[in-house]
Parts: sequence; C-alpha cells; structure tokens
Amino acid sequence: DAGVTQSPTHLIKTRGQQVTLRCSPKSGHDTVSWYQQALGQGPQFIFQYYEEEERQRGNFPDRFSGHQFPNYSSELNVNALLLGDSALYLCASSLEGTQYFGPGTRLLVL
Amino acid sequence: DQQVKQNSPSLSVQEGRISILNCDYTNSMFDYFLWYKKYPAEGPTFLISISSIKDKNEDGRFTVFLNKSAKHLSLHIVPSQPGDSAVYFCAARGGGSNYKLTFGKGTLLTVNP
Repeated sequence: DAGVTQSPTHLIKTRGQQVTLRCSPKSGHDTVSWYQQALGQGPQFIFQYYEEEERQRGNFPDRFSGHQFPNYSSELNVNALLLGDSALYLCASSLEGTQYFGPGTRLLVL
Repeated sequence: DQQVKQNSPSLSVQEGRISILNCDYTNSMFDYFLWYKKYPAEGPTFLISISSIKDKNEDGRFTVFLNKSAKHLSLHIVPSQPGDSAVYFCAARGGGSNYKLTFGKGTLLTVNP
C-alpha cells in the first residue's frame, strides 16, 4: 500500500515565477492538507481540501492556491514567487483523523 | 503567537534509557494531540496520538501523557534506541471544524550507543 507521494522532490525557481507541486494521497484517504516548513521551524498549515473544495485556510496570501481532483490527488500552486517562499512543502492525507505526511518537495527560490 | 511550544531544541540520551520529550500549549480548544518523528530529507512520520478526553496512550515503546490542567504533554520512549535519533514534533488539532495541525518547532533527540 503506497503512502503519500509528492512530486517533484526538488525544484529551483527564480523570483516572480510560478510553481505547481503535486500530491497523491494514501489509498482510501479523501482529505489533503498542505504545509510549509521553513528551516528550523515546524510545519505551517497552508490549506486543506476535502470533496474538491478548500475546507480551511491558514495565514497564507492568495498567491498560494490549490486544487483537489476527483481521485483525491491535489496540487499546490504558488504565483509570483518570493525568496521567502523557499521551504519544504509537505502534503498530508487523512480520513477523518490522523494526517500522514509525504516526503515533501524542497523549493528553492533564487 | 506560538500556540504549541517545545522548549528544548535538543536532548541527548544513552541507549536503553528513557527519553522524555515535552510540549506545552496555550489554546484550550485543542482536542487532539499528535507526535511525529522526522528524519532529514523525509516527511514527518506519525508516531502516536492522544485525545483530550484521555490522559495516557501507549503503543509499544512509546507513551504519551496529557495534563490538560497544565496544558502539557510529554512523549516517553523506553528503552531508547539509536534508530530513535530524529527530530520530534508535537502537534495539536483545533476542535470542531478546525482541522489544521499546529506544530511546535521540534526537539532533536540523539540516542548515543
């Protein structure tokens, strides 16, 4: 049984560009959450998707947007990248309970 | 405003001894608490959780204790093994329709052989 998968594993972008990160949830899970983890910090909640709708959002600007597909996979889009967006982006899936994390995508903005 | 705090950035323990990792929180609305372990270049791995209606949960070598009046929880690992060396994150979930996890900054546990 595959766990949560994310792609790509690493990404380098320049300021002002746009990026799309992808996540496939654990089998049987219908909810996907996205987190940003800066160096030396704990993960910070970006938003959560359930039934293809954004169910809850954290304190992130509108440059951060997402989508959930009918097969429950999800994308995170970040527009107009800033240097401060450099971080590890984590996807977590769940089914009414514990969130299980993927390996993350390391984004570097130059 | 950090609602979940792990005040010890690091902890070093001898193999076979007990490791105790601590976590404090300020939001009394939190209803579910979790511990995750994270190795470098990997995502957080779920370890153990506890509901706010309980004060203890045990799973093998891992036990989590919750003291609601003190807004404090702790993770005990007995016996500690070198493979337990990792960063441990405490996380809390808000109640009701608040699904997000709020994390502490983590504690680096080193278990020495």
